[in-house]
Amino acid sequence: EADIYQTPRYLVIGTGKKITLECSQTMGHDKMYWYQQDPGMELHLIHYSYGVNSTEKGDLSSESTVSRIRTEHFPLTLESARPSHTSQYLCASSPKGGAREKLFFGSGTQLSVL
Amino acid sequence: AQRVTQPEKLLSVFKGAPVELKCNYSYSGSPELFWYVQYSRQRLQLLLRHISRESIKGFTADLNKGETSFHLKKPFAQEEDSAMYYCALSGAGGTSYGKLTFGQGTILTVHP
Repeated sequence: EADIYQTPRYLVIGTGKKITLECSQTMGHDKMYWYQQDPGMELHLIHYSYGVNSTEKGDLSSESTVSRIRTEHFPLTLESARPSHTSQYLCASSPKGGAREKLFFGSGTQLSVL
Repeated sequence: AQRVTQPEKLLSVFKGAPVELKCNYSYSGSPELFWYVQYSRQRLQLLLRHISRESIKGFTADLNKGETSFHLKKPFAQEEDSAMYYCALSGAGGTSYGKLTFGQGTILTVHP
């Protein structure tokens, strides 16, 4: 079934660890996005990609990095996690098209850095 | 820069009452506007977009360019409408192309 998958669903990790949040979609979408959301707050775009080998930083500065080697895969990496990185991270994708295309969201990864 | 403001963080109504969730935006060009909804323990999903001029689950939203607003309305709220609602804007060109900017969200609670 065409879907967008995020793993892990929850992650609790110590300070200084390197982590990778996985995001994969089987919908054949060209565009993919990472949003960060603190509880009760708006979603902030931190990274986006319009296709393979294309990555851009979003509106909110983030110490994380992303890669897009395959169309369906858009992982997010934190080289050294800190408590300030504690947040929910949402991955999304959309078809190739204009600004009118809707986003499909994954279930999110809730990251807690101790 | 594009900005979306939802002035109400919480909104409570009784079942059968009308409901209006407010959304104001700031954008220099011609925006594409959306309402996304997140029900309890579900993913964030599209509710409706202004370009479609559609009614979904009884909800409608009209783009008012003069007031730069895109309020979401439903004449008779139902308990299953209880959720978090986000207004979002996508710029049609330049560096804003295809990137959604979200408002802070409004938690709607419909009481029986």
